[in-house]
Amino acid sequence: GENVEQHPSTLSVQEGDSAVIKCTYSDSASNYFPWYKQELGKGPQLIIDIRSNVGEKKDQRIAVTLNKTAKHFSLHITETQPEDSAVYFCAASQGKLIFGQGTELSVKP
Amino acid sequence: NAGVTQTPKFQVLKTGQSMTLQCAQDMNHEYMSWYRQDPGMGLRLIHYSVGAGITDQGEVPNGYNVSRSTTEDFPLRLLSAAPSQTSVYFCASRLAVQGTQYFGPGTRLLVL
Repeated sequence: GENVEQHPSTLSVQEGDSAVIKCTYSDSASNYFPWYKQELGKGPQLIIDIRSNVGEKKDQRIAVTLNKTAKHFSLHITETQPEDSAVYFCAASQGKLIFGQGTELSVKP
Repeated sequence: NAGVTQTPKFQVLKTGQSMTLQCAQDMNHEYMSWYRQDPGMGLRLIHYSVGAGITDQGEVPNGYNVSRSTTEDFPLRLLSAAPSQTSVYFCASRLAVQGTQYFGPGTRLLVL
């Protein structure tokens, strides 16, 4: 079955810097790659997603890139703000949605 | 729309007890899933369903049962609770395979 590895597990940046979170997946049949943000005490919420026929997608300060050959995808957050502090999860799907282990992002003012 | 709702929010069980975690959605989503979240291990898929009457196992199905008699409801049953099942449980639903998955608020379960 699908296996998703996510790195780093924790990430600390200064406000205004960029943050990058990377994931790799094992099943070449996976064709949908969403990213979720989870704030303390809440369920995860979708922030951006990308499908296998697209290499890059951007939404304001957030972008995701996909390299199907290498089976990895990344989340890029630019101009980070304190409210970006949260746990971020990547996931991969070709039916079942399988998640990575999560990255705790801390943005210091 | 209420979205995805879960009950109870918090539960304490003794080892060997059984219980059902309730999940309901009012978005007419075909796909529903149960995850457990443990520190450092992310969200692990327990069971999922692609429609009423259809269920399948996820990554960590042992000790849990599910059924899907209606589109709206997807209960998770713990037959004989064990301390290893102490976790936060999330129910989720989505309209299609590549649709946005919506999560419920979670159920925090403590097994003593």
